[in-house]
Amino acid sequence: GAVVSQHPSRVICKSGTSVKIECRSLDFQATTMFWYRQFPKQSLMLMATSNEGSKATYEQGVEKDKFLINHASLTLSTLTVTSAHPEDSSFYICSARAGGPSGEQFFGPGTRLTVL
Amino acid sequence: GENVEQHPSTLSVQEGDSAVIKCTYSDSASNYFPWYKQELGKGPQLIIDIRSNVGEKKDQRIAVTLNKTAKHFSLHITETQPEDSAVYFCAASYNQAGTALIFGKGTTLSVSS
Repeated sequence: GAVVSQHPSRVICKSGTSVKIECRSLDFQATTMFWYRQFPKQSLMLMATSNEGSKATYEQGVEKDKFLINHASLTLSTLTVTSAHPEDSSFYICSARAGGPSGEQFFGPGTRLTVL
Repeated sequence: GENVEQHPSTLSVQEGDSAVIKCTYSDSASNYFPWYKQELGKGPQLIIDIRSNVGEKKDQRIAVTLNKTAKHFSLHITETQPEDSAVYFCAASYNQAGTALIFGKGTTLSVSS
């Protein structure tokens, strides 16, 4: 299947700082990427849908000013957690969906964010 | 919007037994139903999927069945092995590139040898 990478895989930061997470589709172009958050022993919760060249669409309850999403190209989307707090500590996972009739959605390996 | 329910939340089986995980969905417009396996600290891996024009799909020890009328689909794993131990998620969506998947809450499968 297609490959989606994320960087960094793990980050520890101090409260109040901002953290940027990159998501790349390595062997296909993705006009749309998705960002999910997963707390321990819970399911993946969709945060936002990232569209190349336009503003992201955020799910209800997700603060767009706190979780800044930029989809600069067909292979790169970034999520910036601004002014991070301990409650933002979570596993952040991006995905990209192949277009056309196949439509499989491929996930990155995730980024473990710990805010001290 | 779409809502996906998944059962059971945990499942323990002996090596060699079969495991069945069931999901229901609410939106009759959904037509794409993938299953993902997630190991600890990793992203989900697609293991099998099914579309609404198909009732059953099989890939070696893994099979998925879909009942569109009842709006439920199931994952079947036969001859389970310890390496099958993981969290399994079902999902549903409309099969279009810009459409996000909605996930069930997951099933923790433990296969003991």
